Amino acid sequence: GAGVSQSPSNKVTEKGKDVELRCDPISGHTALYWYRQSLGQGLEFLIYFQGNSAPDKSGLPSDRFSAERTGGSVSTLTIQRTQQEDSAVYLCASSLDSQTQYFGPGTRLLVL
Amino acid sequence: GENVEQHPSTLSVQEGDSAVIKCTYSDSASNYFPWYKQELGKGPQLIIDIRSNVGEKKDQRIAVTLNKTAKHFSLHITETQPEDSAVYFCAASLRGGKLIFGQGTELSVKP
Repeated sequence: GAGVSQSPSNKVTEKGKDVELRCDPISGHTALYWYRQSLGQGLEFLIYFQGNSAPDKSGLPSDRFSAERTGGSVSTLTIQRTQQEDSAVYLCASSLDSQTQYFGPGTRLLVL
Repeated sequence: GENVEQHPSTLSVQEGDSAVIKCTYSDSASNYFPWYKQELGKGPQLIIDIRSNVGEKKDQRIAVTLNKTAKHFSLHITETQPEDSAVYFCAASLRGGKLIFGQGTELSVKP
């Protein structure tokens, strides 16, 4: 079946611009996660959606980062006024049981 | 705070040899421990996981062991092949449904 998909696969933007990254989870998965992976580094948790509960935003690095999940399915991660340090791979994962997470291919963001 | 330490950071083995990657975790409430394989330019792929009610799990050439008392868990790959070359991440569950990841091990299998 279809896995987690993310778009765009690559994004180049200029410092100060806003970007939106999209995640389509596996159908029926109620939990959705966003992570950031800097070059050669591990995965840094950003935000977690579970069903209709309020999202866990404890990993968002600043108020320039926000995310929403519409209709319990697709999610969008928005970074406002991008900075060069935001350059990274942004990974989305979804889960049926809030434990076993399946990842998408990621969006590679480069801020010039 | 909670953390997961992973060792070694790089590992080079000869094809056919075994590879072992070790992780320790700090949160005694962790009860789920997955391992992911990440190839260049791709997202992490779940390869095996273990829950705290078992001490070992095996799937073909891959096995994971868990010692809850010591808060250690390990990935064992036997009969390594060049296609096993990748970065491997361990993770441990936290309260509330999140995972905390190790820093990764870059495995290189030389033919």
